[in-house]
Amino acid sequence: GAVVSQHPSRVICKSGTSVKIECRSLDFQATTMFWYRQFPKQSLMLMATSNEGSKATYEQGVEKDKFLINHASLTLSTLTVTSAHPEDSSFYICSARDRSAWGNQPQHFGDGTRLSIL
Amino acid sequence: AQKITQTQPGMFVQEKEAVTLDCTYDTSDQSYGLFWYKQPSSGEMIFLIYQGSYDEQNATEGRYSLNFQKARKSANLVISASQLGDSAMYFCAMRLPPANNNDMRFGAGTRLTVKP
Repeated sequence: GAVVSQHPSRVICKSGTSVKIECRSLDFQATTMFWYRQFPKQSLMLMATSNEGSKATYEQGVEKDKFLINHASLTLSTLTVTSAHPEDSSFYICSARDRSAWGNQPQHFGDGTRLSIL
Repeated sequence: AQKITQTQPGMFVQEKEAVTLDCTYDTSDQSYGLFWYKQPSSGEMIFLIYQGSYDEQNATEGRYSLNFQKARKSANLVISASQLGDSAMYFCAMRLPPANNNDMRFGAGTRLTVKP
C-alpha cells in the first residue's frame, strides 16, 4: 500500500534552532501534501497545504515566515520551523494524496515528528 | 463551512463487546467523503474506513462498520468484538471539495479504552 515516510521522528533542540522535517511519498506521486500540528490530547489542525511547484497555502493564524514549506518534487515536501521556541513544541504530521487517486482514496499519513524545544 | 463533531471525549468498552463512536458533520456540499482514522499512542494515523456521500450502502471493513445516516448527517463508527489493541484515539474526518484541495478536516477525537 501507499507509504509516506516522515523524518525525523523525534527532535529535541535548543531554543532558536531551525528544524527541518521531511515528508516523502515512497511509492506514489503526490501533487499535494498537507502539514498538520497536534497538541497533546487534541485533534489534528491543518497548518498548510503544500502544492508541488507552487507556494504553500497557509491556514489562518499560521505564520508562513515561521513555518517554511517547500514542495520541490512530486515525492518530497519539507517543513522548516525557523528559530523554534518552546511554544513550537508539538507533534507535526504530514499527509499526502496520490495524484491519481479517486475521491474515496484516503490521505496517507507519515508517522509524525515530535518536536521538543528546550 | 464544513464541521466535524465528535461529542464523546472518552469511551470504555469491555473486551469482545461492540462499541459505537459518534460523528456528526455539517456541510452544504452534495459530494463529500467521510473517513475514520485510528491513532494509537505512538502517533501514526491509521486509515480504517471510508463512506462516500453517494454510497447507498454502509461501508464495512472487517470488524469496522460505518453507520451512515445522511439525513441526520451522522457517520458513526461501529467496532465489533473489541480487542485490547483497539485502545486508541479515533478521529472522524471529512474530505473537502476540490476547491479546497480536497484537504481533510478532523473531529476532536474519541479516546477508546478496551477493558479486559
